Amino acid sequence: DAKTTQPPSMDCAEGRAANLPCNHSTISGNEYVYWYRQIHSQGPQYIIHGLKNNETNEMASLIITEDRKSSTLILPHATLRDTAVYYCIVRSSNYQLIWGAGTKLIIKP
Amino acid sequence: SAVISQKPSRDICQRGTSLTIQCQVDSQVTMMFWYRQQPGQSLTLIATANQGSEATYESGFVIDKFPISRPNLTFSTLTVSNMSPEDSSIYLCSVDRDGGGQYFGPGTRLLVL
Repeated sequence: DAKTTQPPSMDCAEGRAANLPCNHSTISGNEYVYWYRQIHSQGPQYIIHGLKNNETNEMASLIITEDRKSSTLILPHATLRDTAVYYCIVRSSNYQLIWGAGTKLIIKP
Repeated sequence: SAVISQKPSRDICQRGTSLTIQCQVDSQVTMMFWYRQQPGQSLTLIATANQGSEATYESGFVIDKFPISRPNLTFSTLTVSNMSPEDSSIYLCSVDRDGGGQYFGPGTRLLVL
């Protein structure tokens, strides 16, 4: 399974867009990119996933580069409740999710 | 969406004892997953549990230490046996989400003294 690299922490002002990068340079053709977040003292929450096309849902947008070696999660209007650890995961077909250290995103008023 | 509950939500246990953690899902699912999250760390998959068959354990985890039951399509238990302080973690169960991804339970916070 491909490994992901994320910055350990980021700050973002409330109301601004939060852009969280992820590198997955060894991703293979059948591996999806998944994003989860974990708010303190809670279980992880699914955000979005994609294969090669950009994706958008009610929570966020996912931008995947054409070579698929990196992606960016965009929270368009960050609120204080978006403060959490965000995990970028590459998942293969055997259902195993390999979790990296994630990015601790702090939204500041 | 699937709603997952876990019991207990937290516990403090003495070393050498065992704790059984329950995971209940509000819909029938084929596979359930058990994870461990050690303090300040990310998640590590312990095992995958299918109803009617033995759980599949990941490298570093064995059935004697973490026996799992899966009696039906909505329920599973994970037992942490002969506990030591190194077992102090958050234990999470999850299920697959239609369309991709997983739903997670709220976790069980275990402290072993």
